[in-house]
Amino acid sequence: NAGVTQTPKFQVLKTGQSMTLQCAQDMNHEYMSWYRQDPGMGLRLIHYSVGAGITDQGEVPNGYNVSRSTTEDFPLRLLSAAPSQTSVYFCASSYGAGTTTGGELFFGEGSRLTVL
Amino acid sequence: AQSVAQPEDQVNVAEGNPLTVKCTYSVSGNPYLFWYVQYPNRGLQFLLKYITGDNLVKGSYGFEAEFNKSQTSFHLKKPSALVSDSALYFCAVRGDNYGQNFVFGPGTRLSVLP
Repeated sequence: NAGVTQTPKFQVLKTGQSMTLQCAQDMNHEYMSWYRQDPGMGLRLIHYSVGAGITDQGEVPNGYNVSRSTTEDFPLRLLSAAPSQTSVYFCASSYGAGTTTGGELFFGEGSRLTVL
Repeated sequence: AQSVAQPEDQVNVAEGNPLTVKCTYSVSGNPYLFWYVQYPNRGLQFLLKYITGDNLVKGSYGFEAEFNKSQTSFHLKKPSALVSDSALYFCAVRGDNYGQNFVFGPGTRLSVLP
């Protein structure tokens, strides 16, 4: 199993450009999510999905879009990049849609994005 | 609302000494508590979790954590630190009536000195 795979690992954008961060998991997890990591702020939830066709906003959704057409894939789209979106982005997934399992998150290796 | 505090930005400990990384939380309902470790330029790796049962939870690489409901704490511990334990540690919480979304603390950088 590859686990959670993110691409690209590094990306430099100019202000106003758009791009998509790809995330795929091969564990048949129902729950998938995107976080951004900034120094001293921990991880903040951008968007999440509890299953194919279902997405919702997290703590910091502005400037980002997501879709979930399959169980495996959960791409994150930056519509018009801004310098404030310079960050490290992590995709994570977990099993168990129910709240009683306490399923831990499995993380990808991260995508480092710089917006000039 | 859920929240997690890690009161120490940095913890320094000598190799072979015991280590503690502190975490306190606030959540409505019963807490599901987690510790993750992040090595440089890597994703987060799961260490251990508390869901229910014994307050002392054992996890990967010799780490353990103690759940204290009255103090709303979930401190990470290891009896004898290794230089290779140096990394960034995150505590996370999920309430059992708050769906599947996690809230992460700001992280504590652990440095184990040889």
